[in-house]
Amino acid sequence: EAGVTQFPSHSVIEKGQTVTLRCDPISGHDNLYWYRRVMGKEIKFLLHFVKESKQDESGMPNNRFLAERTGGTYSTLKVQPAELEDSGVYFCASSLRGNSPLHFGNGTRLTVT
Amino acid sequence: SQQGEEDPQALSIQEGENATMNCSYKTSINNLQWYRQNSGRGLVHLILIRSNEREKHSGRLRVTLDTSKKSSSLLITASRAADTASYFCATVLNRDDKIIFGKGTRLHILP
Repeated sequence: EAGVTQFPSHSVIEKGQTVTLRCDPISGHDNLYWYRRVMGKEIKFLLHFVKESKQDESGMPNNRFLAERTGGTYSTLKVQPAELEDSGVYFCASSLRGNSPLHFGNGTRLTVT
Repeated sequence: SQQGEEDPQALSIQEGENATMNCSYKTSINNLQWYRQNSGRGLVHLILIRSNEREKHSGRLRVTLDTSKKSSSLLITASRAADTASYFCATVLNRDDKIIFGKGTRLHILP
C-alpha cells in the first residue's frame, strides 16, 4: 500500500507570506493527525481529524493556522500569515483506528525568513 | 503540556552493546507506543504496549510498562549501526485517543 505522502518536502517563505502544506493519508485511514517539531524540541500535537471532522484541534497555536480535510481524504494545513516561529518540520500521520499505531509521512520542512 | 518525557536525551554506545531508553508520562493512558526516526524521514512505529500489559518483545526490542510509576523502557539488544536514530515514546490518552510525543532520545551506535 502507498504510505502517507506530504507535499512539499521543503518550503522557504518570507515572513508574512502564506504557505499550504498537503497530506495524503493511507487510503481507508479515517484518522489523520498533524504534528510539528521545532529544532530539538518535542513533536508537538496540532490536531486530529476523524474523517472530515476535527476531533481535537487543541494544539493549533493560533488562528493563523487553518487545517481542512474536505471529503475525509487528503488534508491541508495553511499558515497565513507566516511568522518566524512557525519554522519547523510539519508531520502528518494517519491511522486506521483512534488508538492504533500511526503511519507518518516524511514531513515538510518549513523555513520562514 | 508535554506528556511523554524520554531519558536520556542522547546516548552513545558501542556496536553490540544494549541500549536502554526510558519514558515517563503524566496521565492515564490507553497504550504506549515507541517510534524510531532516521534523520530527514518520518517516524516509524516499532512496538505498542497496552496499559494492561507489563512487557512486550519484538525481535531485538523489549518494552516494559509500569503504570504505577507511569514509566516505560525500551531495550534494544545487540545494537547495530543501523539502530542509530532518534527514538520517541508516544502515549495514547484514555479520554480522547490523543497521541502525545516527547522530545526523543538520540541514539548513536559507535562502530
